[in-house]
Amino acid sequence: DQQVKQNSPSLSVQEGRISILNCDYTNSMFDYFLWYKKYPAEGPTFLISISSIKDKNEDGRFTVFLNKSAKHLSLHIVPSQPGDSAVYFCAASEDSNYQLIWGAGTKLIIKP
Amino acid sequence: NAGVTQTPKFQVLKTGQSMTLQCAQDMNHNSMYWYRQDPGMGLRLIYYSASEGTTDKGEVPNGYNVSRLNKREFSLRLESAAPSQTSVYFCASRNPDTYQETQYFGPGTRLLVL
Repeated sequence: DQQVKQNSPSLSVQEGRISILNCDYTNSMFDYFLWYKKYPAEGPTFLISISSIKDKNEDGRFTVFLNKSAKHLSLHIVPSQPGDSAVYFCAASEDSNYQLIWGAGTKLIIKP
Repeated sequence: NAGVTQTPKFQVLKTGQSMTLQCAQDMNHNSMYWYRQDPGMGLRLIYYSASEGTTDKGEVPNGYNVSRLNKREFSLRLESAAPSQTSVYFCASRNPDTYQETQYFGPGTRLLVL
C-alpha cells in the first residue's frame, strides 16, 4: 500500500503562471516532508522541505504547504519557468528513521 | 567536489550474470543509500548504511547485497541477475548530523537484464 501518493502523473502549465503539485500521505507518523526535482538522466536534487510543526515553508519561487489534518501537502511554483520542466517527487520520513518514502512523481511541463 | 559518483552509467546483463554497482561520495557523509526506480513508481530503498561498517535492509533487498567498503564507498552487488532487476539504480548520501533529511543523489546506473 502506497504511503505517499502523487495522483497526477503529469501537469502542463503556461510559462509565468502558477504550478501546483499535490501529494497525499497515509502515515500519521511522518513528520518531515521533502520535494525533489529530477531531470532526465540525472539523479533527484533536493528542492524544499517542511517539518510537521509548520504549515508553510517558502524559498524564492517555491512554497510548500502542509495540511496535517488532511494529510496533504502541495508545492507551489510562482512564476513557472521553462527550466522548471522536470519530474517532481514528494517524499516523507518519520523522526529518527533513515528511510524516505517516495511518491511516484509528477511530470511538470512548462509551455512557452 | 564531485558529490556522489556512480559507475557504470549503463549496463546490459544476461539472466544469471553477476555485477557490482559502485558508488562513492566526497562530502564526508556518514549515511549512504541504494535505491531503485521503476516506471510509474517512486524510488524504493534497497539497502542503506548509517555509518561505516553497518548496513541494513530497506524495502526491497531480495536479490541484492551491499558492502560499505569505507566512509566514501558503498557498493551494490547482484549475484544472479534477473529480468525483474531491470531498473535505474541511484546511490545517495546524507549527513545525519544535520536535522534535515536531505539526501544527495548520484546520476544513476541504468541496468537492463535480458
